[in-house]
Amino acid sequence: GAVVSQHPSWVICKSGTSVKIECRSLDFQATTMFWYRQFPKQSLMLMATSNEGSKATYEQGVEKDKFLINHASLTLSTLTVTSAHPEDSSFYICSARDGLTYEQYFGPGTRLTVT
Amino acid sequence: GENVEQHPSTLSVQEGDSAVIKCTYSDSASNYFPWYKQELGKRPQLIIDIRSNVGEKKDQRIAVTLNKTAKHFSLHITETQPEDSAVYFCAASRGAGSYQLTFGKGTKLSVIP
Repeated sequence: GAVVSQHPSWVICKSGTSVKIECRSLDFQATTMFWYRQFPKQSLMLMATSNEGSKATYEQGVEKDKFLINHASLTLSTLTVTSAHPEDSSFYICSARDGLTYEQYFGPGTRLTVT
Repeated sequence: GENVEQHPSTLSVQEGDSAVIKCTYSDSASNYFPWYKQELGKRPQLIIDIRSNVGEKKDQRIAVTLNKTAKHFSLHITETQPEDSAVYFCAASRGAGSYQLTFGKGTKLSVIP
C-alpha cells in the first residue's frame, strides 16, 4: 500500500518555542493532506485540510496563526506549532489522499511534548 | 457538518467469538465509510471500506454493512483472535471536494484468549 512518512516521530520542546512536523507521501502524489490531533484515549480530531499550492482550511476552533500549515509540493506538507504551550502536547497525525484512488493513508504520527 | 456516533466504546469478546461495532452518521450526502484499526501509539490502518452504492462488503473475517436509509453502518469481525485487540474507528466522508473524514469516537476491542 501507499506509504506516508512523518518526521519527527517524537519531539520534546520548551514552552514558547516552535516545532515543525513534516508529512511526506513517498510513492504517490497527494493533492490533499490532512492534519489531525489525537489526545490519549480519544478519537482523531481534524485540525486542517491542506491543498497543494493553496491556503489550508482550518476547522472551527483551530487557530491558524498558531498551527501554520504549508503544502508546497504534491508530496510534502508541514505543520508548525508556534509558541507551543503544554496544552499543545498531543499526538499529531497527518494523512494524505491519493489523487488517483482517493484513499487516505495515515502517517505514523508525531508525539509532541511541551514542557 | 457531519456527525458520526460509534457504539460501543468498549467491547470484550472471547477468542473465536464475533464482534460487532455500529456507527451512525448524520449527513445523507456522505457516501464513503472506512474503518480503521489503531494499535496503541501507532497510525490508524484502513481495514475495510464501503461506498454508498454497495450494501455489504467482506474481506476474510471482516465485513461491513451499510444501511443508507437508516444512515448506519457496522463492522463485523468473525472468529476473533487476540491480535484483533485494538481501537477501531469508523469514519464517514462525502467523497467529494476535499474528502474530509469525520471519525467516530472509537471502540476499544479486547479479545480474551
